Amino acid sequence: KNQVEQSPQSLIILEGKNCTLQCNYTVSPFSNLRWYKQDTGRGPVSLTIMTFSENTKSNGRYTATLDADTKQSSLHITASQLSDSASYICVVTPSGGSYIPTFGRGTSLIVHP
Amino acid sequence: KAGVTQTPRYLIKTRGQQVTLSCSPISGHRSVSWYQQTPGQGLQFLFEYFSETQRNKGNFPGRFSGRQFSNSRSEMNVSTLELGDSALYLCASSRSQGSTEAFFGQGTRLTVV
Repeated sequence: KNQVEQSPQSLIILEGKNCTLQCNYTVSPFSNLRWYKQDTGRGPVSLTIMTFSENTKSNGRYTATLDADTKQSSLHITASQLSDSASYICVVTPSGGSYIPTFGRGTSLIVHP
Repeated sequence: KAGVTQTPRYLIKTRGQQVTLSCSPISGHRSVSWYQQTPGQGLQFLFEYFSETQRNKGNFPGRFSGRQFSNSRSEMNVSTLELGDSALYLCASSRSQGSTEAFFGQGTRLTVV
């Protein structure tokens, strides 16, 4: 069974600090791994998309890394802002015919002033 | 360019009733996917439609069904509602089936009482 595990479940940091969120997956082979940001009561918004051959992808203060050998990805947030408070979801889509994505439960990030 | 539009935003139904949710994808996008999001299970894939045909289906009972029209708009129907169907239902659109880039709508919050 394909699984995506995210850690930590929740995280509280001070504004201006950096943080790193983790995503471990068992989906193999996979087509792509995506990180989404979801504000409370709103739909997820794509942050980064990486194929199996990519190691890193940046989007402003967000940088995602991928290690396909260990089946791990991380999302690093630099110089956090209050608006970064949200849930961050890791999604892995398999290759080979089925495009059914597997979602992690997400990491809830709270940034305090 | 308008984003993904879901209607209604909020809905309250009684156990045993049925409900229809609507999703209008981004202009030019032909693939629509539906997801259920609950605090306990996170985001789960329901089904994907492309060119008016269901291409992939998640592990949900037959009470959950959908369809896609020639203009790519999609509807999702849930019959014989149960309390456990209370959730945020999200749809996402993409240019083609299995596309890496998917854009989510704001969701429909369904409460079953």
